[in-house]
Amino acid sequence: DAGVIQSPRHEVTEMGQEVTLRCKPISGHDYLFWYRQTMMRGLELLIYFNNNVPIDDSGMPEDRFSAKMPNASFSTLKIQPSEPRDSAVYFCASSPHTGELFFGEGSRLTVL
Amino acid sequence: EDKVVQSPLSLVVHEGDTVTLNCSYEVTNFRSLLWYKQEKKAPTFLFMLTSSGIEKKSGRLSSILDKKELFSILNITATQTGDSAIYLCAVEGYNNNDMRFGAGTRLTVKP
Repeated sequence: DAGVIQSPRHEVTEMGQEVTLRCKPISGHDYLFWYRQTMMRGLELLIYFNNNVPIDDSGMPEDRFSAKMPNASFSTLKIQPSEPRDSAVYFCASSPHTGELFFGEGSRLTVL
Repeated sequence: EDKVVQSPLSLVVHEGDTVTLNCSYEVTNFRSLLWYKQEKKAPTFLFMLTSSGIEKKSGRLSSILDKKELFSILNITATQTGDSAIYLCAVEGYNNNDMRFGAGTRLTVKP
């Protein structure tokens, strides 16, 4: 299995632009998580899905952030408009059930 | 609110030393505690602990959980430079299935 696949690996954009991060979970995994990692705040849970349904989005920082999972093999995290403080590494992870998470390699976002 | 606190935040040791990393937690209806190692990229799974007092071991790494005192430790014996990483603790509760992470411990092992 290819594991969790994220794209892009790196994104540099200017403040105010829309950013879309993509994730393909491991086939058969029912849970999908989006995390954000910064030096200051560590690894923060943004939102997670179970069977494509958003379960808890309380970690989403503000309305500029949105996430979708239109089917079992694809999810997006969108930031519109982006701000410099959104600069971070965004990880997607999937899990077949509760317990161990399988992480993608992350998308490093830099907002200038 | 669920909380995961790791200590120390950073640690510098020399090869051959033994280290103990700590993780304390507050979570509603505890389900499991997991340890991850993060080097340059994504966190990779080390251990999952669900029961008190049962040590999980993998090579030079071991971990144990105390559900009464709400903490776990991760031990690394005879450390090597390849152990240098951020070690993350995460906790999951039965009420929800999300995984809350601590801030991590940054371990640096010097030759």
